[in-house]
Amino acid sequence: DVKVTQSSRYLVKRTGEKVFLECVQDMDHENMFWYRQDPGLGLRLIYFSYDVKMKEKGDIPEGYSVSREKKERFSLILESASTNQTSMYLCASSVRGQPNYGYTFGSGTRLTVV
Amino acid sequence: KNEVEQSPQNLTAQEGEFITINCSYSVGISALHWLQQHPGGGIVSLFMLSSGKKKHGRLIATINIQEKHSSLHITASHPRDSAVYICASRINSGGSNYKLTFGKGTLLTVNP
Repeated sequence: DVKVTQSSRYLVKRTGEKVFLECVQDMDHENMFWYRQDPGLGLRLIYFSYDVKMKEKGDIPEGYSVSREKKERFSLILESASTNQTSMYLCASSVRGQPNYGYTFGSGTRLTVV
Repeated sequence: KNEVEQSPQNLTAQEGEFITINCSYSVGISALHWLQQHPGGGIVSLFMLSSGKKKHGRLIATINIQEKHSSLHITASHPRDSAVYICASRINSGGSNYKLTFGKGTLLTVNP
């Protein structure tokens, strides 16, 4: 069964900590995405990557960075966590160049910054 | 800018009822997705549509490209259908960039 795996379901971090959220997919997908989901706001795109070492900013990149050193892994980094980054984070992947292909989502990481 | 509106925001139904969730978008799109999110967070892709209608079990999704509108129907609803249903539109902006614009979701509760 194809999968997008996020390393943690729940995470609690302190303000100012550097936080790494990991996402791994086993489908050989080129595109990978990081979203955050907040009540009343829906899912918003933070960053996406369409190839190894390639990245583009989404709608809300401030306070975040990403790393894609290998095709299967896409990491989201909170350089200095703040309480307003408390949220549900979802990773997704899709095939590049296949507009009729769907997206596969991970199970989400619920991050609480205290 | 593409905007996606869903209605209703919340929906409560009795088991067995026929359910409709609506989605409207503001610009031409290459595809529209319907997603399901159960409590706990994980999202499952239900349908991807670019025209017409698709059916999977008790779920039916339709899209009207001219009216920029899509509907998700659930026949013979069951408590296990209780979830948040999200529609998302995709504009093919070229290159490898297939971004989704999401609606805010519809919380469906089906009571036994």
